[in-house]
Amino acid sequence: QKEVEQDPGPLSVPEGAIVSLNCTYSNSAFQYFMWYRQYSRKGPELLMYTYSSGNKEDGRFTAQVDKSSKYISLFIRDSQPSDSATYLCAMNDGGSQGNLIFGKGTKLSVKP
Amino acid sequence: NAGVMQNPRHLVRRRGQEARLRCSPMKGHSHVYWYRQLPEEGLKFMVYLQKENIIDESGMPKERFSAEFPKEGPSILRIQQVVRGDSAAYFCASSPGTERQAFFGQGTRLTVV
Repeated sequence: QKEVEQDPGPLSVPEGAIVSLNCTYSNSAFQYFMWYRQYSRKGPELLMYTYSSGNKEDGRFTAQVDKSSKYISLFIRDSQPSDSATYLCAMNDGGSQGNLIFGKGTKLSVKP
Repeated sequence: NAGVMQNPRHLVRRRGQEARLRCSPMKGHSHVYWYRQLPEEGLKFMVYLQKENIIDESGMPKERFSAEFPKEGPSILRIQQVVRGDSAAYFCASSPGTERQAFFGQGTRLTVV
């Protein structure tokens, strides 16, 4: 079993839709959870950063962490064509914040 | 404040040559991380360095790969005797400290022909 599982998609939605992206993980020691957005041939850009369980909202983005189920989600409201990118979940156990375990990424396409 | 700078952005090497990838961290950042992204794969941690020290190289292949972060100048990821399987995007990230979030550069895309 991989440490972090993420459905690679691709996921195609119409503009304005609510998008749900998910990751599951196996290591119960993970306590820091991140979502990155990566445009084609660019570097990953940090979108959301959460610690332990709960919700965090930032504009159209909401991150949820359920440590009991080892499941994290990213919701995008009112999706825009500019949201089309690959979304990567990442996490670690609280050691060095730069040593992250990444999912493979979900490729999202938002159609106008 | 410039972000993490990586160069070159694209690098083509023949099998058996050496590849040198450079990373200049953000101003004020003394922690550098290297990741590799293979086609259709997620980012894989390779090595974590502070100035003049390798802190964690648990993700580095045992042979042909080395990394340094000298007191002056950029961090260097060096791949000796490259093979086709080394073709990938190599990303560098930097942070101001262990407990702080890391920011990624735009990557170097290495193609081995």
